[in-house]
Amino acid sequence: DGGITQSPKYLFRKEGQNVTLSCEQNLNHDAMYWYRQDPGQGLRLIYYSQIVNDFQKGDIAEGYSVSREKKESFPLTVTSAQKNPTAFYLCASSPHRYGYTFGSGTRLTVV
Amino acid sequence: DQQVKQNSPSLSVQEGRISILNCDYTNSMFDYFLWYKKYPAEGPTFLISISSIKDKNEDGRFTVFLNKSAKHLSLHIVPSQPGDSAVYFCAARMSRRSKLTFGKGITLSVRP
Repeated sequence: DGGITQSPKYLFRKEGQNVTLSCEQNLNHDAMYWYRQDPGQGLRLIYYSQIVNDFQKGDIAEGYSVSREKKESFPLTVTSAQKNPTAFYLCASSPHRYGYTFGSGTRLTVV
Repeated sequence: DQQVKQNSPSLSVQEGRISILNCDYTNSMFDYFLWYKKYPAEGPTFLISISSIKDKNEDGRFTVFLNKSAKHLSLHIVPSQPGDSAVYFCAARMSRRSKLTFGKGITLSVRP
C-alpha cells in the first residue's frame, strides 16, 4: 500500500541537541511539506519542496532545516536554535492535482 | 495575516442532528477548497473538496457549500455520529501547484 511514513512516532530531545524527523513516501508525489501543530494554532507550514534538490521556507522556518536529495524522502532537522520545539510534526505530500496526503505525525518533546 | 479563518474553536451537537462547520477566507485568488478531519495523535485525512466553479459538493453524509461572493464555505454533516468527533480543518489553494493554506481548525464533539 502506498503512503507516507513518519518515524519515530514519539521523540524526546534534550535541550541544545539537534534531532532529525524522518518522512518517507512511496506515492511518487513531487511535492512534500512539513507542518507543525500546536494547540489553538492549527497547522503551520515549516518547509516545503516541490521537486528534488529544491525547497522553500514556510511561515515558521526559523530553527529548522530540511533536505530533498531523493523524491521519496524529506527529513526535517529541528536544531537547537528552535526556541520552542515541543510540538506535533506532520509531513505531507501532494501530486499537485489534489490535496495532501499526510503522515501519522511525530510528537517531539524537549526534556 | 490569516487568509483562512475558522472563527469558532469548537462545536457540540447531539447525535443524529446536523453539524455545520464554517470557514471564511480573505484571498479571492483561492480556487479550490478542502476539508480535513483529524483525530488526536494522527495525521489529517481528506474529507471533501470543492472547486470555485461549483457552489455545492456532496459525498454521503458530508456536503460542502461555497459562497464566493461572501468568501465563505461550510461543511454540513447529516446525521452527525459520535465517530465524527474530531478536529476539522478548512484549507484553500490558489492554483493546482500552490501549497494549501489551513485554518486553525474546529473541534467537533458529537454527544450520544
